[in-house]
Amino acid sequence: QQQVKQSPQSLIVQKGGISIINCAYENTAFDYFPWYQQFPGKGPALLIAIRPDVSEKKEGRFTISFNKSAKQFSLHIMDSQPGDSATYFCAGGGGTDKLIFGTGTRLQVFP
Amino acid sequence: DGGITQSPKYLFRKEGQNVTLSCEQNLNHDAMYWYRQDPGQGLRLIYYSQIVNDFQKGDIAEGYSVSREKKESFPLTVTSAQKNPTAFYLCASSYTGGYSNQPQHFGDGTRLSIL
Repeated sequence: QQQVKQSPQSLIVQKGGISIINCAYENTAFDYFPWYQQFPGKGPALLIAIRPDVSEKKEGRFTISFNKSAKQFSLHIMDSQPGDSATYFCAGGGGTDKLIFGTGTRLQVFP
Repeated sequence: DGGITQSPKYLFRKEGQNVTLSCEQNLNHDAMYWYRQDPGQGLRLIYYSQIVNDFQKGDIAEGYSVSREKKESFPLTVTSAQKNPTAFYLCASSYTGGYSNQPQHFGDGTRLSIL
C-alpha cells in the first residue's frame, strides 16, 4: 500500500538524448509527487514536484508526466547533459506523515 | 543562507561504541527526519520529529536513538546495538509535521564507517 516502485535502476544516455525514469505508486491518498536529484557525496535536492490536479509539469529541460488512473508518473529530461549525471529519486506523499521514496535511478550521460 | 548542516562529514565507529551525528537547521521548520541510505536501497526512514520534544520511530529505528530538545537540532545516536551501521546518513526537514505532501530539504549527509 505504501510502496513507490521506480525503474530502471540505472540508465545510460547519450548527450542530447532524452532520459526517462518511471515510478508507480499504490496509495491512492498520495497527492504530492516530488523528484529529487542527488550527486555523489551530497544530499538529495528537490528538482521538481507535481500534484494530481495536473497531468504534466515542465521546468526547463525537466518534465513530470502524471497518469492518475494508472497510478504512474515519470520524469523526462530533455537534451540530457553530462552534468545531469546523478541519482534520481521519486517519492509519494499525502495521507500519511511520511514521504515514501523510490529506490533510485542512477543516470549516466555520456558526451 | 538557510539550510541544514550535518556534521561530521565522515565518522568512524569502533566496535561497542555509540556515536552521535549532528543535524542543525535554520529554516524554522517544525519537522525533522533521519534517513539511512545504502547502495541500491533508496532512503529508509529511521526517526522523525514533527515538533519539539516529540519524535516517532520510522521503518528501521532499532539500534538508533534521537532527541529533539530544540527546534533547530535533531541529533541521531547510533548505538552499539546497531550491528550494521556502515551507511550514509541524511537529515531532512519540512515546514510542518504530520503532512508528507510538502517539500523536504536535505543536508549533505554523514558517512559512517566501522573501524
